[in-house]
Amino acid sequence: DSGVTQTPKHLITATGQRVTLRCSPRSGDLSVYWYQQSLDQGLQFLIQYYNGEERAKGNILERFSAQQFPDLHSELNLSSLELGDSALYFCASSPLQGALQETRYFGPGTRLLVL
Amino acid sequence: KNQVEQSPQSLIILEGKNCTLQCNYTVSPFSNLRWYKQDTGRGPVSLTIMTFSENTKSNGRYTATLDADTKQSSLHITASQLSDSASYICVVRGGGSGTYKYIFGTGTRLKVLA
Repeated sequence: DSGVTQTPKHLITATGQRVTLRCSPRSGDLSVYWYQQSLDQGLQFLIQYYNGEERAKGNILERFSAQQFPDLHSELNLSSLELGDSALYFCASSPLQGALQETRYFGPGTRLLVL
Repeated sequence: KNQVEQSPQSLIILEGKNCTLQCNYTVSPFSNLRWYKQDTGRGPVSLTIMTFSENTKSNGRYTATLDADTKQSSLHITASQLSDSASYICVVRGGGSGTYKYIFGTGTRLKVLA
């Protein structure tokens, strides 16, 4: 158990809908990262937040957005969902800003299925 | 183009044997390289993190090497166990401060048989 929690575990929804995925980092960790893992694309980095502020951006679509709240939990919002958005969404956390040697701790993931 | 290629795509070995997984990258400028182990349906677990100046780093039975000149890394697993069956993912961080990016390899799927 990494100490990172994600809810829900599974989510089934329809195309065009909007969903929110939630992540609670390990106690004391200030950075939260979001990743998408699909069968055809592998793992992709979406976005990082550090202490409430956006720190780095990866391959995140404009239909997706995220935020980190004062209590450091984070939410990933996915809107206008398409079939291709079906994937495992992982959240990870690290103590600080994600320096070169800083370990990332991954949550168990949320499996999203868009029908 | 920034790329990370891993080989082999999949590997089957007998319990107790050693194996080596490869990661070649073209990411520039290079920042660091991480190896992760991912069990099916679960989140990745960090094995090693290596920066430009590091050649070798060990974590128990896992030993990673990095050759920054040839842009190659390897992950050596010694005395494999059934629990080593998983996907092993190489991730390279490139770019300067504030503009870095993460390039993921597609992984090597390892199966250890009794």
